[in-house]
Amino acid sequence: GEDVEQSLFLSVREGDSSVINCTYTDSSSTYLYWYKQEPGAGLQLLTYIFSNMDMKQDQRLTVLLNKKDKHLSLRIADTQTGDSAIYFCAENNYGQNFVFGPGTRLSVLP
Amino acid sequence: NAGVTQTPKFRVLKTGQSMTLLCAQDMNHEYMYWYRQDPGMGLRLIHYSVGEGTTAKGEVPDGYNVSRLKKQNFLLGLESAAPSQTSVYFCASSYSTKGGGAFFGQGTRLTVV
Repeated sequence: GEDVEQSLFLSVREGDSSVINCTYTDSSSTYLYWYKQEPGAGLQLLTYIFSNMDMKQDQRLTVLLNKKDKHLSLRIADTQTGDSAIYFCAENNYGQNFVFGPGTRLSVLP
Repeated sequence: NAGVTQTPKFRVLKTGQSMTLLCAQDMNHEYMYWYRQDPGMGLRLIHYSVGEGTTAKGEVPDGYNVSRLKKQNFLLGLESAAPSQTSVYFCASSYSTKGGGAFFGQGTRLTVV
């Protein structure tokens, strides 16, 4: 079945770049997503990438997709304390729902 | 524009009690979902709906029932609550599964004692 894996924790210094990684097993995944969850809140869609793309950039966010290795990454440039949150990778293959990873807790140290 | 609204936000139940969680969306989305979030396990799909009057089982449907009588509402029911159902429940909706992603409510924190 479909499975999405992420490392559970990441710590970075304020001002550095953060790279959050994700691997997925479903080779037919068509869309891949990054969500952000702040404490006590729901998930907020940050960005998504279609599987025929290698990269997508949106202000401080860069998404890289290696379809051959089924690897997705989210780079946050100039990480700020407000970026501290849990980041979820998710995939969809034109199915009727989304499959989420366990989430990576990003801690930004001053 | 409210997006996805869940009620209630918090609830404490005794084992064996029943309750209904309400989800409402104002984006005219076809798809709606109920997830539960537990520490270290990410989000697990309970039930979902691909349109008014339809429902389907997700990954962890046991102990839950759902109804989608109106397009904008998706109800999650617990007939006889168990401590294992202590969790944070999220409702989400999406226009389709072809891009765009899902929009989430703020969550319902349920404790069963």
